Amino acid sequence: DAKTTQPNSMESNEEEPVHLPCNHSTISGTDYIHWYRQLPSQGPEYVIHGLTSNVNNRMASLAIAEDRKSSTLILHRATLRDAAVYYCILRGIQGAQKLVFGQGTRLTINP
Amino acid sequence: GAVVSQHPSRVICKSGTSVKIECRSLDFQATTMFWYRQFPKQSLMLMATSNEGSKATYEQGVEKDKFLINHASLTLSTLTVTSAHPEDSSFYICSARDPQGRGQPQHFGDGTRLSIL
Repeated sequence: DAKTTQPNSMESNEEEPVHLPCNHSTISGTDYIHWYRQLPSQGPEYVIHGLTSNVNNRMASLAIAEDRKSSTLILHRATLRDAAVYYCILRGIQGAQKLVFGQGTRLTINP
Repeated sequence: GAVVSQHPSRVICKSGTSVKIECRSLDFQATTMFWYRQFPKQSLMLMATSNEGSKATYEQGVEKDKFLINHASLTLSTLTVTSAHPEDSSFYICSARDPQGRGQPQHFGDGTRLSIL
């Protein structure tokens, strides 16, 4: 499984944008970039995913570098409920398409 | 609303007990489900891939006789922790992949916190 690298932790203030980076220099052409987040004592929650183009949904935006070796999850206006561990995961399209979690980024939101 | 239901949410039992955890996909038929384990302050560790109608595929280092997986229908997978001991205490999480379309996200259950006394 291709590996991703994320900062261990980040901190931001409420109502400000947050940019969570992810490096994935060994990404293959058919790997999708997935983002999930996990709140304390809960299962992970899907945030967004993309292949090549930037993506927007009601939760966040995903900006994918042109060479696809990095991506950034953007929370446009952070709230206290966005405090969680955010995981950037590459997932192929062959076989079981399992998700292998790294350590993620622990995001703290200050009021 | 939730598309994957996991039950029970919490189990406390004595050492030596076998514990069964259920994972159900509610809105779709899941030919593939996944089981994870998470220790405090650590990330999720994939234990096994559950395949409907066939044997589960276990990750390296996971004892298949200890963690029995059954995926008898397209909406239900079960994980049985056999003869559980205190070191098996952990947060167990299942997920299911909607088979429609490429690259679609996985949906996770809310987890089962297992405490072995």
